[in-house]
Amino acid sequence: AQTVTQSQPEMSVQEAETVTLSCTYDTSENNYYLFWYKQPPSRQMILVIRQEAYKQQNATENRFSVNFQKAAKSFSLKISDSQLGDTAMYFCAFISAGGTSYGKLTFGQGTILTVHP
Amino acid sequence: EAEVAQSPRYKITEKSQAVAFWCDPISGHATLYWYRQILGQGPELLVQFQDESVVDDSQLPKDRFSAERLKGVDSTLKIQPAELGDSAMYLCASSLQVLTEAFFGQGTRLTVV
Repeated sequence: AQTVTQSQPEMSVQEAETVTLSCTYDTSENNYYLFWYKQPPSRQMILVIRQEAYKQQNATENRFSVNFQKAAKSFSLKISDSQLGDTAMYFCAFISAGGTSYGKLTFGQGTILTVHP
Repeated sequence: EAEVAQSPRYKITEKSQAVAFWCDPISGHATLYWYRQILGQGPELLVQFQDESVVDDSQLPKDRFSAERLKGVDSTLKIQPAELGDSAMYLCASSLQVLTEAFFGQGTRLTVV
C-alpha cells in the first residue's frame, strides 16, 4: 500500500521569507505522480504544483518549487517570498500510475502553514 | 470557470438518521472521488468512480455507506444510519481522467448529534 507522511504538523514563516514543507512517501511503483495541494481556511482545496516521477527536473510554479528526491522518496515544497495569502493547510499527495493502487490519490496528514506579517 | 458543485454545504443530523450528499463534477470529467476529512487531518478516500463504475471502495464502510454515479455524471453518497463518528467534512473531487489534476468542491460539513 502507498503511504504519504508529512512530519511537520505546523510551520510558520514571516512574510517575504522562504519556507520548506517536507513530505516522504512509500511505494513499490516506479511510475507515479506527486502533488502539493493547498486548503485555505474555509475554502476548497486547490492544486499548487505537480511532479511526474519520470522527470528528473524539479517542477516550479512561480514562487513554488519542489525538491524531488526519487531514491529517498522525498518531495518537499519550497515557498519563496511568502505572502499572507499562503496561509493554509498544505497536503502532499501521491497517485500511482501502475500496480494495484493505480489511480488512487492518497494524501498526507497535512501541514498548517501560517504566514506572519 | 467550471467548478465541482456539492450540496448541502452544511448538514446537522441526529444519530441513526439517514443523510445524503450530492456532487456534480466538472463537465466531461470521467473520474470522481469522495473523500472524508476529519478536522485537522488529511482526506481519506472513500470511493472512486471511473465513469459509472466503482474502481476503489476499499475504505468505504459498506454496512452504512453507499455511493452511486448512475449515469456517470453526478454522484450521491449516503449514510444510513449516521453515527457520531461520521461527523466530518465530505469532499468530492473530479478529474478529466485518472492521473490528471483533481478539482475539489467546497465540501459538505456533516455534524451528527
